[in-house]
Amino acid sequence: DTGVSQDPRHKITKRGQNVTFRCDPISEHNRLYWYRQTLGQGPEFLTYFQNEAQLEKSRLLSDRFSAERPKGSFSTLEIQRTEQGDSAMYLCASSSLRVAVYEQYFGPGTRLTVT
Amino acid sequence: GNSVTQMEGPVTLSEEAFLTINCTYTATGYPSLFWYVQYPGEGLQLLLKATKADDKGSNKGFEATYRKETTSFHLEKGSVQVSDSAVYFCALRGYGNQFYFGTGTSLTVIP
Repeated sequence: DTGVSQDPRHKITKRGQNVTFRCDPISEHNRLYWYRQTLGQGPEFLTYFQNEAQLEKSRLLSDRFSAERPKGSFSTLEIQRTEQGDSAMYLCASSSLRVAVYEQYFGPGTRLTVT
Repeated sequence: GNSVTQMEGPVTLSEEAFLTINCTYTATGYPSLFWYVQYPGEGLQLLLKATKADDKGSNKGFEATYRKETTSFHLEKGSVQVSDSAVYFCALRGYGNQFYFGTGTSLTVIP
């Protein structure tokens, strides 16, 4: 068990470019979450997967954001046509269906800077 | 809607001092409440939880009681240590699997 990993750890991109982040959850964890955290704020829920199904999505999430979890393993979060307001830390968390949903294990995050 | 309000930091305490970090919430229905902690250089981790009114969550000497009448879930510890220096987040889980976090309170404990 190596924990939740995220790649890349840092990404700098120019406004208007597309970016994709990857999250590898703990092996056999069925649940996977994406959050966004801006400076001085707590994590903000973006979306939730149970296995490969995307079951919940924040109403605040722009159409420029899309997430996938093919085969119920790793997940990707893509942001199209990035804007400066997208600069934030993007966190991934996973948990097992065998335990309570709040027992989430968080990854180290991907810090996105849009210039 | 659902939201969490935490006391603003940063908080600086001397070792063995008493700690209180205030947290209040707004929610529809009966949410579950949590405190998460982020130690320097590490990811967020669950510290304690309470899933119904009057429950007391506890872990590592920290405690918090789910007070429905005051919609609060204040974090307390009787004697803080340097190793408790971290950022603390209050959170709630509403209907479904969406979690709502507060803004975080940074705690520094000095020897």
